[in-house]
Amino acid sequence: DTEVTQTPKHLVMGMTNKKSLKCEQHMGHRAMYWYKQKAKKPPELMFVYSYEKLSINESVPSRFSPECPNSSLLNLHLHALQPEDSALYLCASSQDLRQGVQYFGPGTRLTVT
Amino acid sequence: EDQVTQSPEALRLQEGESSSLNCSYTVSGLRGLFWYRQDPGKGPEFLFTLYSAGEEKEKERLKATLTKKESFLHITAPKPEDSATYLCAVQGLRAGGTSYGKLTFGQGTILTVHP
Repeated sequence: DTEVTQTPKHLVMGMTNKKSLKCEQHMGHRAMYWYKQKAKKPPELMFVYSYEKLSINESVPSRFSPECPNSSLLNLHLHALQPEDSALYLCASSQDLRQGVQYFGPGTRLTVT
Repeated sequence: EDQVTQSPEALRLQEGESSSLNCSYTVSGLRGLFWYRQDPGKGPEFLFTLYSAGEEKEKERLKATLTKKESFLHITAPKPEDSATYLCAVQGLRAGGTSYGKLTFGQGTILTVHP
């Protein structure tokens, strides 16, 4: 089973709202990732967690706040977003940072109004 | 800095018309090259991993090959359900032979197969 789940599937939020995206995997993977994908572009890495610790932050604005409560869960907290943050947000996981096969979830379609 | 270039940007085929997608890459040390398929509005679906030049992998109508500078995704007798965006990505080695886990993606090839 190589399933990564994400909730919600769709999210519409105003610029003053606070919301969270959730990601879950039960493959025993110890590396988890957040990507942002705009239309007709490849996924763009945002954050990497390794063994529940933040390993990479690709200079993402502080209005995006990741959290890894345990080895199976990854959250992305959103606050004071801008319309240009509207995108498909993808979660992925891999066995660890050395095992490069990343399995992606279905994504959350975020619209900021 | 790792770089990946995919060509063509878009490819239209008739059902049964075989063709190839190209992925050219530059990387300081290749940890792995990955092919993904992505349908509109969905997450990328893993297809293949290639680790060293000369390696080949097959799955149904798809075959991926790897040289020191590029990878090809060969599609034999495609069907309309093969229509999707195909993404190529590389993971490079870092100092000390470690890998951060960061994938560098190409822009993708949009494949359309007409019945």
